Amino acid sequence: GNSVTQMEGPVTLSEEAFLTINCTYTATGYPSLFWYVQYPGEGLQLLLKATKADDKGSNKGFEATYRKETTSFHLEKGSVQVSDSAVYFCALSVGGGSQGNLIFGKGTKLSVKP
Amino acid sequence: NAGVTQTPKFRVLKTGQSMTLLCAQDMNHEYMYWYRQDPGMGLRLIHYSVGEGTTAKGEVPDGYNVSRLKKQNFLLGLESAAPSQTSVYFCASRTGTGTYEQYFGPGTRLTVT
Repeated sequence: GNSVTQMEGPVTLSEEAFLTINCTYTATGYPSLFWYVQYPGEGLQLLLKATKADDKGSNKGFEATYRKETTSFHLEKGSVQVSDSAVYFCALSVGGGSQGNLIFGKGTKLSVKP
Repeated sequence: NAGVTQTPKFRVLKTGQSMTLLCAQDMNHEYMYWYRQDPGMGLRLIHYSVGEGTTAKGEVPDGYNVSRLKKQNFLLGLESAAPSQTSVYFCASRTGTGTYEQYFGPGTRLTVT
């Protein structure tokens, strides 16, 4: 079946540190991959996405590259800020119709200290 | 555009009471979803709809019912609330084409005592 595994948190970093949150997936077919962010007390927002192998999604200084050979979509940011403190979810979607439903990882909580 | 909105934002129920959560979207999206979010569990799909008048079960449908009488609205009902349904509920929607990204509402925090 389809599944997403992401590193368990919480992750605590100092401001300006480098961030990596690992995400690997198992999927039948060719999934689209997503990172969503959830700020405290809010709903999920799409952070970035990639729809095919070797695509790089980027937004707000975050990047993730779709690696088919390692079935990974790791999230990175070169210099985190306090405002990046949130929960990050990796997700995939395979195909159309009900197959287009998102499958989420369990989320990784990031805390950035000044 | 308001995007996806949810009503109410907070609710406290006693065991056995019923309630309906309303989700509305103004993006003319075909697909709508209800999720619950519990600590350490990520998001789990309760029910979803692929269009007006249609509904389907997700991963954790027991104890919930849904209706999609209008394209822009998706209702989630709890007929007899249980403490295990204490959770944060999110609604989402997406188009029927493209890259399947979903747009989320702000959530409803439900406590069942």
